[in-house]
Amino acid sequence: DFVMTQSPDSLAVSLGERATINCKSSQSVLYSSNNKNYLGWYQQKPRQPPKLLIYWASTRESGVPDRFSGSGSGTNFTLTINSLQAEDVAIYYCHQYYSIPRTFGQGTKVEIK
Amino acid sequence: QVQLQESGPGLVKPSQTLSLTCTVSGGSITRGSYYWTWIRQPAGKGLEWIGRIYTSGSTNYNPSLKTRVTISLDTSTNQFSLKLSSVTAADTAVYYCARGSGDRTFDIWGQGTMVTVSS
Repeated sequence: DFVMTQSPDSLAVSLGERATINCKSSQSVLYSSNNKNYLGWYQQKPRQPPKLLIYWASTRESGVPDRFSGSGSGTNFTLTINSLQAEDVAIYYCHQYYSIPRTFGQGTKVEIK
Repeated sequence: QVQLQESGPGLVKPSQTLSLTCTVSGGSITRGSYYWTWIRQPAGKGLEWIGRIYTSGSTNYNPSLKTRVTISLDTSTNQFSLKLSSVTAADTAVYYCARGSGDRTFDIWGQGTMVTVSS
């Protein structure tokens, strides 16, 4: 299985500041034939299902604010939330869809400092 | 707009079979190059992929659950279902159904349904 490891497990950021979450895959999720990273990011708020933010490692889902951005390739990825807003308080998960079984990171909890 | 809704018993006895259904509304389950997925989340924990089914009927399951899981599709009712046999307390979780694709992975989710395994 592809093991997805996120860091940190939690972070507290001041409103308007930047939050950075890292995700490392145990194996590359870059598919050489199309040069796409099969890596997504999800946001989950309490008592809600996860919401897709980013796919292909860096493509924002429709309707997602542009303060959310994804980067990275191969095995190392980053989700950046620029100018953190109160509504961004949530747990964020990275997810690989390169291989079966699909796997998720353990989650990173983002709070307001 | 496509929406998904899980349904099924909220309480299952140990050793019995957990059965859930996901109803797809706002579009045909056979339209597009999608697959239909079950994912679960124990309280306060992370997400575990259970398995998926394509409209062709082809399935993939998580090896950790493979011997106990069956996912099926009913195109006439626009539903897909999950059966998990021989359940234990470790299967207690919120169960989500979701739509997946090779491009945008799981883009639409149901609200989730809590299933407790207890006698």
